[in-house]
Amino acid sequence: GQNIDQPTEMTATEGAIVQINCTYQTSGFNGLFWYQQHAGEAPTFLSYNVLDGLEEKGRFSSFLSRSKGYSYLLLKELQMKDSASYLCAVMDSNYQLIWGAGTKLIIKP
Amino acid sequence: GAVVSQHPSRVICKSGTSVKIECRSLDFQATTMFWYRQFPKQSLMLMATSNEGSKATYEQGVEKDKFLINHASLTLSTLTVTSAHPEDSSFYICSARTGGLEEQYFGPGTRLTVT
Repeated sequence: GQNIDQPTEMTATEGAIVQINCTYQTSGFNGLFWYQQHAGEAPTFLSYNVLDGLEEKGRFSSFLSRSKGYSYLLLKELQMKDSASYLCAVMDSNYQLIWGAGTKLIIKP
Repeated sequence: GAVVSQHPSRVICKSGTSVKIECRSLDFQATTMFWYRQFPKQSLMLMATSNEGSKATYEQGVEKDKFLINHASLTLSTLTVTSAHPEDSSFYICSARTGGLEEQYFGPGTRLTVT
């Protein structure tokens, strides 16, 4: 079956760095997406990785290792507004997105 | 660019009535639109995938006669919840995509409450 695993909840301190991991097993691979979702709102796109390595975009970076079926989202210089759920999703061979359950990130002052 | 709108943003209806939710891609043509449902503190659950001009593909366990999807044009898809019941109360989110490898652009969501 297809499976995306990510931690349910994480807590970090304002100004610190946090890494949210995602492991996957899917039928085929056409890229991995990270989305941010604030409570009561729709998800917003953060990043897309299809090749191995690190993609940096401001305070956010995303890493992919296809051989390990592993990705992480790295958030630096955490701000209170970064408190949200972070969703990992993999596009399978049918171009369908397989969604993880999301990681709720709590930022403390 | 890549803006998706949904209407209404919130709707309250009585049990047994039907509710229509519209999803529009405002500045691009969406070959594929997706309908998701999200219960509180849970992840997105894909309900169905629709391609313009063809019938929607429903996920297992989603009743196609209850959740009617119409994708009449490259910029509009509608979801009609027929004979709504309180257990249908949820956050319904649509997304749109231009091609196979493109990201999905999400609408702002519709919160449905059935009393």
